[in-house]
Amino acid sequence: GIQVEQSPPDLILQEGANSTLRCNFSDSVNNLQWFHQNPWGQLINLFYIPSGTKQNGRLSATTVATERYSLLYISSSQTTDSGVYFCAAGYNFNKFYFGSGTKLNVKP
Amino acid sequence: SAVISQKPSRDICQRGTSLTIQCQVDSQVTMMFWYRQQPGQSLTLIATANQGSEATYESGFVIDKFPISRPNLTFSTLTVSNMSPEDSSIYLCSALTVGYTFGSGTRLTVV
Repeated sequence: GIQVEQSPPDLILQEGANSTLRCNFSDSVNNLQWFHQNPWGQLINLFYIPSGTKQNGRLSATTVATERYSLLYISSSQTTDSGVYFCAAGYNFNKFYFGSGTKLNVKP
Repeated sequence: SAVISQKPSRDICQRGTSLTIQCQVDSQVTMMFWYRQQPGQSLTLIATANQGSEATYESGFVIDKFPISRPNLTFSTLTVSNMSPEDSSIYLCSALTVGYTFGSGTRLTVV
């Protein structure tokens, strides 16, 4: 299967700071998504981004499929951004493979 | 995007018993998936639930332990059978809509 690696594994930020999370994947994929798991366990789909760049408020994501990586940018972080961020990669919406996640703690 | 209602949200079960988790989607979806998230870990796909046919299980997961039903295009169940403490995890269902949508998860503790 596809190997998905995320970095950093842990990140502590002061509220208002910016951050970049990285996801590397081992094979050519045509599906990549970013998720946020809040402290209560709920997984929220942030971006479906097999290639290119998307923005949603303070969050944006870029995937360079030819170089097999994706980046998630968080600007002006807030305490509600805390949780675990997962990327998941796959083919044709079958068998998504999840990375190990980046645990983000935003301190007030 | 679709909304998935998953229940129960949490349960504490005795070893040797079984628990059935239900997921209801508010629209018809072709593909539904069941994942396990062990404490502090990432998500691992258990199986793909196919409507009208048997589920497709990933390596390391078997039907006798995790029987799955998919009676129609909006509903699926996962049963965790003959539970042991090692089955303590969060179990999540998801559906393919625009991207993936996840249920809120079932936090299972086996004692």
